[in-house]
Amino acid sequence: AQSVTQLDSHVSVSEGTPVLLRCNYSSSYSPSLFWYVQHPNKGLQLLLKYTSAATLVKGINGFEAEFKKSETSFHLTKPSAHMSDAAEYFCVVRDSNYQLIWGAGTKLIIKP
Amino acid sequence: DAGITQSPRHKVTETGTPVTLRCHQTENHRYMYWYRQDPGHGLRLIHYSYGVKDTDKGEVSDGYSVSRSKTEDFLLTLESATSSQTSVYFCAIRGALGDYGYTFGSGTRLTVV
Repeated sequence: AQSVTQLDSHVSVSEGTPVLLRCNYSSSYSPSLFWYVQHPNKGLQLLLKYTSAATLVKGINGFEAEFKKSETSFHLTKPSAHMSDAAEYFCVVRDSNYQLIWGAGTKLIIKP
Repeated sequence: DAGITQSPRHKVTETGTPVTLRCHQTENHRYMYWYRQDPGHGLRLIHYSYGVKDTDKGEVSDGYSVSRSKTEDFLLTLESATSSQTSVYFCAIRGALGDYGYTFGSGTRLTVV
């Protein structure tokens, strides 16, 4: 069965410094992986997706993620954090029935 | 945003009362989903539909029922609401099989007192 583990429940960085949100997955086949973002009291927005093409995936707002099969990881990064990046981020894997399996989320806090 | 709306946006109800949440889409997508979101759990699938009158259970379906009598509407019913069903409920839609594009509604915040 597929599963997703987000390794940090909270990450705090200063504005202008790099962001790293960690995600490990478990899948019995080549997975499709996603990152979603949820701003406070808002809906869910797709940041980026990996669907077995290029292993380095670029998303919106300067975010990118790298699929590493050997490490079963799909970490989300951004070179320079902005105050508007403060939100909760979810790593998601698609299972064999096209259902989405969600991680528990990582709250990103940006310090001025 | 894509054409998906949820109603109501907020609801407070009493324990033991029935509650129906509505998801409406204008995209003519085949697949529709109901999720609940609770702190520390991400989203969990309640029920989903793969066509008119075709529905199936997700991982947290106990206490919930759904109906889909037409393509555009997917209703989630709590037959007798309990405090454990206090949550934020999200509807999502998806096109054909193999389509990775899920679109989410804005959510319904339900409080059971």
